[in-house]
Amino acid sequence: DIQMTQSPSSVSASVGDRVTLTCRASQDIAIWVTWYQQRPGEGPKLLIYRASVLHSGVPARFSGSGSGTDFTLTITNLQPDDFATYYCQQANSLPRTFGQGTKVEI
Amino acid sequence: EVQLLESGGGLIQAGESLRISCAASGFTFSDYAMNWVRQAPGKGLEWISFVSSGGVRTYYADSVKDRFTISRDNSKNTVYLQMDRLRAEDTAIYYCAKDRLGPTFSYDAFDYWGQGTLVTVSS
Repeated sequence: DIQMTQSPSSVSASVGDRVTLTCRASQDIAIWVTWYQQRPGEGPKLLIYRASVLHSGVPARFSGSGSGTDFTLTITNLQPDDFATYYCQQANSLPRTFGQGTKVEI
Repeated sequence: EVQLLESGGGLIQAGESLRISCAASGFTFSDYAMNWVRQAPGKGLEWISFVSSGGVRTYYADSVKDRFTISRDNSKNTVYLQMDRLRAEDTAIYYCAKDRLGPTFSYDAFDYWGQGTLVTVSS
């Protein structure tokens, strides 16, 4: 199975900050990475697929980049709604494994 | 508006069986593959099963293979997960998630998720 490792496990930030979250795959997965946001008590929400494509309705302050084994999710101008846990997922092969998550907190 | 509503969770004894459901609305259900993903309390996400739009093709994670069965009824816009021989480690919130692209397996994203249903397995 492909292992997905996210760092850091948590990050403290303030409204208006820029934060960068990292996800590393255990093998080359080209651009097949997806990013999700999960707020407490809710199901995950799709943010970015194929490493850098913004899902419909997702604010442009979210952006993704990377290919191969190293990927990043950047949130600029952090808003109160953005304090949540973010997961990466590889879409290269079964099983579709997730990273352990990065919690963005105040 | 796409909506996915899971139901059927609850407290159950280890070794017993349970079927959970996910009712879909807001899109043409029969055109899309569906998945189940679970999340143990305080833990991360684990993909566990896939079913193609017509219900013919299915895939499972090793952790549930031969114990869980995914199915769907396109006339009822519902996907099911039959869980047999449940174990304490199956305790989790179970989410259904819609494949973004379409009817067959694709290496892509899950674009909509439900709110989940909690399954607690007591040992």
